[in-house]
Parts: sequence; structure tokens; C-alpha cells
Amino acid sequence: EDQVTQSPEALRLQEGESSSLNCSYTVSGLRGLFWYRQDPGKGPEFLFTLYSAGEEKEKERLKATLTKKESFLHITAPKPEDSATYLCAVQAESNYQLIWGAGTKLIIKP
Amino acid sequence: NAGVMQNPRHLVRRRGQEARLRCSPVKGHSHVYWYRQLPEEGLKFMVYLQKENIIDESGMPKERFSAEFPKEGPSILRIQQVVRGDSAAYFCASSPSLAGTGNEQFFGPGTRLTVL
Repeated sequence: EDQVTQSPEALRLQEGESSSLNCSYTVSGLRGLFWYRQDPGKGPEFLFTLYSAGEEKEKERLKATLTKKESFLHITAPKPEDSATYLCAVQAESNYQLIWGAGTKLIIKP
Repeated sequence: NAGVMQNPRHLVRRRGQEARLRCSPVKGHSHVYWYRQLPEEGLKFMVYLQKENIIDESGMPKERFSAEFPKEGPSILRIQQVVRGDSAAYFCASSPSLAGTGNEQFFGPGTRLTVL
């Protein structure tokens, strides 16, 4: 069964304190892995798509990496405005659905 | 450059009533997806539609729930005879090409349904 597990559930950091969020997945043939950011009361906002192991993508203070079993979202020198829930999803080759993790709630304290 | 629009943003219904949720995709997008999100839980896929076609409805309950994406107008998610367990945030997303290519989906702000 296709599955996505994100850890930790919640992460509190001081402003400027770098860290990583984990997304472990099992899928029968990966078509793509997606990272989204979701603010309270809003819809998910697209961040990255990764397609194959070894691929990396960067956007401002965020960098996403992918292996055959997991993806990491690295956040460097975060700011309070980076506080949000970060969601990971995978799409299998066999269908159109995105399978979502429960998210990591990131809180950056000034 | 409007993104995905959903209305209403908040909807309150009593048990047994009907809920009708609307979604207008990004201009030029012909693929629409509906998801449900319960508090502190991940998004759950419900249905994937193209214009006038339901492509995959495997995530949608077979009773009381239906979805459409007509040739003209928004996509509609309809819930008949709502129950308290239907209370959730419902999100619509759209994409410009076939979902099977692994392309990203763009989300609307959601409709928060409360069933009293």
C-alpha cells in the first residue's frame, strides 16, 4: 500500500536555527514527490516537485532532496515567516492520486 | 492572474441538508481534484475530473457524494443528507495537464463545512 510518513509532527526552532523535515514514503513506482506549505485556514501552496533519487531543488531558505525511500526539506536560517505546516505527497506511476503525509508543523520563534 | 477560487469559504448545514461546494480552476486548467482534510490530518483524495468526465472517483464515498465539472462553469462537489462526520475542510486543486505526468496541483483556499 502506498504510504507517506512525515516526521517530526511538530518542530520548534529559534530564528536562525537550521534543521530538516523528513518525509518517508513507500510507493509502487514513484512518478513524483511534492512539497507544499500550508498556513492556517488556507490551502496548500506548492513548493517543489522531485522526480528521481539524487535530485535537489532550492527556493530561498528551503532545499528539498530525494532518495529512493525518503525526502528531506532542509531549512537554513529560518525566519518567523517560515512558520507553517509543511506537507509532503507522492504520486505513483499507476494512478493519478496524490498520497499525503499528515504534515510537520514548524514554528520559528523570534 | 486569478488562482483557484472556491466558494463559499464557510458553509454551515444542519444534518440532512445538502451542501454544494464550488470550484473555479486556474484559467486554462482543465483538470480538477477534490480533497478532504480533517483537523490535524493529511489531505485525502476524493475525486479527479476533467471537463465533463470523472476520471477517478475512488476516494469519494459512493453514497451521498457526487462531483461534476461541466463544459461551462465551475466544478461542483455535492453532499446530500449531510451528517456530522462530513464536517471538514474541502479543497479543490487544478492542474494544466494530465495528472499522470507528475505535474504540480494548485490549490484553492478551501471550503470549511460545519454540520450542526
